[in-house]
Amino acid sequence: TQLLEQSPQFLSIQEGENLTVYCNSSSVFSSLQWYRQEPGEGPVLLVTVVTGGEVKKLKRLTFQFGDARKDSSLHITAAQPGDTGLYLCAGAVNTNAGKSTFGDGTTLTVKP
Amino acid sequence: DAGITQSPRHKVTETGTPVTLRCHQTENHRYMYWYRQDPGHGLRLIHYSYGVKDTDKGEVSDGYSVSRSKTEDFLLTLESATSSQTSVYFCAISEPGLAGLNEQFFGPGTRLTVL
Repeated sequence: TQLLEQSPQFLSIQEGENLTVYCNSSSVFSSLQWYRQEPGEGPVLLVTVVTGGEVKKLKRLTFQFGDARKDSSLHITAAQPGDTGLYLCAGAVNTNAGKSTFGDGTTLTVKP
Repeated sequence: DAGITQSPRHKVTETGTPVTLRCHQTENHRYMYWYRQDPGHGLRLIHYSYGVKDTDKGEVSDGYSVSRSKTEDFLLTLESATSSQTSVYFCAISEPGLAGLNEQFFGPGTRLTVL
C-alpha cells in the first residue's frame, strides 16, 4: 500500500505571504496530481507532474516533483484569500494505473 | 467542467435502511470511483470500476456494494446503513491511458446522514 503524507495539516497565513506545502512518500509514483477543494464542492485538478525534477507553474502556484518521484511540493507566492481551500496530492503507479493514493490534505486559510 | 452528476445531493436516512447513490457521467471515461471523505481521513476509496460490470474493492469497501451496468452510470449501495457511514461521498472518473496518468474529475458530492 502506497502512503502519501502531506504537511502541514493546517496552515493559516495573511494575504501576501508565501507558503509551501509538502507531499511525501516512500513509494515511487509514475505521476502525481495536485487538487484543490473548496467547501461543499468536489476536488478540482490543478496539475499533473510526471518527470522526476519537473517544475510546473500555474500563475502564482509552483509545483515540483522530486528527482526520485517520491515527493512533491506546492509553493504559493503572494497568497490571496481566493487560494483558501483544501489541497490534496494523489499519486498513481503504473502497475495499477486506474487507482491513486490520496494524501489527507493541507487546509489553507488566507486571511485578508 | 467534466460532466459528472451525483444524486441525491443530500440524504438523511435511518439506521438499517438501504441507500443507493448514483453517479452519472457524460465523458465516456472508462474508470469510475466512489470515495468517502471524513474529517481527518481525507479521501478514502470505497470501490472502483474499470469497465461495464468490472469492479474492484478499495480500502474501505465493507458495508458497500457497487454496480455498473452502463458506461455512464455507477451506483453505490449501502445495504443496511449504519451511523458510521455518515459521510460525504464523491464520485470521480478518469481515463488513465498507457502513460499511467490517473487524472480524476470529481462530482459535486452527496452528503449522507444516517440517524
